[in-house]
Amino acid sequence: GNSVTQMEGPVTLSEEAFLTINCTYTATGYPSLFWYVQYPGEGLQLLLKATKADDKGSNKGFEATYRKETTSFHLEKGSVQVSDSAVYFCALSVRNRDDKIIFGKGTRLHILP
Amino acid sequence: GAVVSQHPSWVICKSGTSVKIECRSLDFQATTMFWYRQFPKQSLMLMATSNEGSKATYEQGVEKDKFLINHASLTLSTLTVTSAHPEDSSFYICSAPALAGKDTQYFGPGTRLTVL
Repeated sequence: GNSVTQMEGPVTLSEEAFLTINCTYTATGYPSLFWYVQYPGEGLQLLLKATKADDKGSNKGFEATYRKETTSFHLEKGSVQVSDSAVYFCALSVRNRDDKIIFGKGTRLHILP
Repeated sequence: GAVVSQHPSWVICKSGTSVKIECRSLDFQATTMFWYRQFPKQSLMLMATSNEGSKATYEQGVEKDKFLINHASLTLSTLTVTSAHPEDSSFYICSAPALAGKDTQYFGPGTRLTVL
């Protein structure tokens, strides 16, 4: 079946530190991969996505590369800010008529000033 | 970008009562919407797919008679939690793809249900 595994949090970093949140997946078929972010008190927002192997999704300084050989989609940012504090969800969608998304458990990120 | 709203944002009810949650796509039409349940510090669990003009498709283990879904129009889906119990307390989130077949979802802000 389809599933997503991401590192458990919470992750606490100082401002300007380098961030990596690991994500691996299993999928039947050829999935699209996503990172969603949920800021305190808000709904989920799409942060970035990649639809095929070796694609790199990027947004707001965050990046993730679709690695088919390692079935991974790790999220990285070179210098985090306090405003990046949120919960980050790795997710996949296997292209079919249903458009369902399978989410990881989420990683809570705390950035200290 | 596309906006999905939910109403109410939070609700408290007594055990045994029913609660209706609305999900609206505000500036686009959605033939399909999804309902998720999120437990504290856990991921979103897909409950069902709401289909405009036809029956909802429920995920394995989700009780159809307890979680009634109606997709009345291309911009509105409702989730009714019938005969609610404290274990139904959770955060319920809906989403909609912007266009049929697109794999990017737009999420509502969620509804916090507390059953006393």
